[in-house]
Amino acid sequence: DQQVKQNSPSLSVQEGRISILNCDYTNSMFDYFLWYKKYPAEGPTFLISISSIKDKNEDGRFTVFLNKSAKHLSLHIVPSQPGDSAVYFCAARLTSGTYKYIFGTGTRLKVLA
Amino acid sequence: ETGVTQSPTHLIKTRGQQVTLRCSSQSGHNTVSWYQQALGQGPQFIFQYYREEENGRGNFPPRFSGLQFPNYSSELNVNALELDDSALYLCASSLGGEAYNEQFFGPGTRLTVL
Repeated sequence: DQQVKQNSPSLSVQEGRISILNCDYTNSMFDYFLWYKKYPAEGPTFLISISSIKDKNEDGRFTVFLNKSAKHLSLHIVPSQPGDSAVYFCAARLTSGTYKYIFGTGTRLKVLA
Repeated sequence: ETGVTQSPTHLIKTRGQQVTLRCSSQSGHNTVSWYQQALGQGPQFIFQYYREEENGRGNFPPRFSGLQFPNYSSELNVNALELDDSALYLCASSLGGEAYNEQFFGPGTRLTVL
């Protein structure tokens, strides 16, 4: 049962344009959502997070939007740079006495120069 | 500030054997989480340790066990290895606490079970 889904395995975007990565979830009890970036041979790197009580969080070129009614979140990268080329994982936290983190399967972003 | 380190980098074992993977958390972090990442998949949460106590567990059988030491470093032990255990094992450390979410990942240990 995949509670966090990233339906697009890959995305190509021209340098300078906007990259939009999408994530859907099924569990309404998730209280935090996070985005990670992963380069080959490295562990994932935290990018940005959003609490379930908010609908937007911005950090420089990165903005995460949360639509709770649709159980959907998205990561916007503006402007996209070649160095942004990586695999991006969406993750959700479930807090029920303890913490559990559920990751999506990832989207490979390629920014074309 | 020292980041998260994991050892070994690569490991090859045969089915039925036991393995121990190690993780040193980032300085000042008291929480360690372990993940299994199979090829083409996202990391799957195995368990988390906070101040030497297990603080959350994913859907992994009891042959996956762990420890956290007083210096907050951690071990992941897997008994009776199966072919499907072949994966990248990631360790992540954080400061812990409900309001703090940023986890710092190590580079992972690549385990191959033959």
